[in-house]
Amino acid sequence: EAQVTQNPRYLITVTGKKLTVTCSQNMNHEYMSWYRQDPGLGLRQIYYSMNVEVTDKGDVPEGYKVSRKEKRNFPLILESPSPNQTSLYFCASSPGTDSYEQYFGPGTRLTVT
Amino acid sequence: AQSVAQPEDQVNVAEGNPLTVKCTYSVSGNPYLFWYVQYPNRGLQFLLKYITGDNLVKGSYGFEAEFNKSQTSFHLKKPSALVSDSALYFCAVRDMRAAGNKLTFGGGTRVLVKP
Repeated sequence: EAQVTQNPRYLITVTGKKLTVTCSQNMNHEYMSWYRQDPGLGLRQIYYSMNVEVTDKGDVPEGYKVSRKEKRNFPLILESPSPNQTSLYFCASSPGTDSYEQYFGPGTRLTVT
Repeated sequence: AQSVAQPEDQVNVAEGNPLTVKCTYSVSGNPYLFWYVQYPNRGLQFLLKYITGDNLVKGSYGFEAEFNKSQTSFHLKKPSALVSDSALYFCAVRDMRAAGNKLTFGGGTRVLVKP
């Protein structure tokens, strides 16, 4: 089944404790992206990757890191999480850019206390 | 800069009645426009998109959307709503001239279809 998977689905952590949220897609998509969803703000793009070893900042990259060492994986790293990073996070992929729709993972709900 | 506005936080409609979810956008160039739906505890699912051509776009689950360039709108419609259409709907835009594949989302509109 073609899908985007994220792990973990739920995470509660404390301020400053480094964490990684994994994202993997099995559709051989070139493009991958991370979003955070907050009430009333819709989804805001954190980082995106056009291909392996090619990443760039989205609208809200502060406090986040990403890497794209393999085509299928695009982990999101929070080196020192803070409470304002409590949010619902989505990974997405698409075959390319331009007019392609994106395929979303199920989401990761992160709480930072 | 590109932006999307969904002016209604929530839309209530009776089952069987027409459903409209409003969306207006702002881009420098020509837009790619998308609608996504989010069911509880699920990721976003693609409904439909406008790239070029016919202003009326048909998508999944009986939804359609009309692109209106002069009003910079892309309203989502369904002629007869179902209770199962109750969900959170997001409009998104991408500027054709923008680098990468940045999608800008609206704040979302919650649709509640009552039996």
